[in-house]
Amino acid sequence: QVQLVQSGAEVKKPGASVKVSCKASGYTFTSYDINWVRQATGQGLEWMGWMNPNSGNTGYAQKFQGRVTMTRNTSISTAYMELSSLRSEDTAVYYCASSSYYDRPWFDPWGQGTLVTVSS
Amino acid sequence: EIVMTQSPATLSVSPGERATLSCRASQSVSSNLAWYQQKPGQAPRLLIYGASTRATGIPARFSGSGSGTEFTLTISSLQSEDFAVYYCQQYNNWPRTFGPGTKVDIK
Repeated sequence: QVQLVQSGAEVKKPGASVKVSCKASGYTFTSYDINWVRQATGQGLEWMGWMNPNSGNTGYAQKFQGRVTMTRNTSISTAYMELSSLRSEDTAVYYCASSSYYDRPWFDPWGQGTLVTVSS
Repeated sequence: EIVMTQSPATLSVSPGERATLSCRASQSVSSNLAWYQQKPGQAPRLLIYGASTRATGIPARFSGSGSGTEFTLTISSLQSEDFAVYYCQQYNNWPRTFGPGTKVDIK
């Protein structure tokens, strides 16, 4: 079945970077975009950006421009989201989710989430 | 950026009753709207896309309606497993934006 499996929880210090992975299975990795969405504890969902695994093209929410980088390794069907200059407000669960701009722009499926804790 | 709002913030419903959740967009998103369900400790799950089309495996008690700026998610007869938070999301414009969610809890 179509599945996205994310890397495990991370604890980082303020100012550091974190890189979260999202491994796809059950479909052709390059056929669908990968989006990243985060959720602070008890809060709503915040879209961070998207990446086309085929071309490597990306689009980032303005809030994260300059701090986020989305990449991929097609040989292992894995997408990555790296967030730099971490601050306490970046503590959240980070999700990847699949979509397709032309025929399936909604988000489905989602990864299980990765908790990133930023603390000194 | 399109701002999504949802009402009410919390909806208290008894099992077997009907629940009606509202979502509003700050400008027209046509029918490019999705609904997601999220239970504690879980990732969101797609319920509805295209404002009214149920995703694969979603029970018929879930229905969506609306277009433009006003949308509704209806759960016809609440089951115990339906108590959760529901988010709407527009995918008509960049950036993609979500509503703040409606929590459906047990009355």
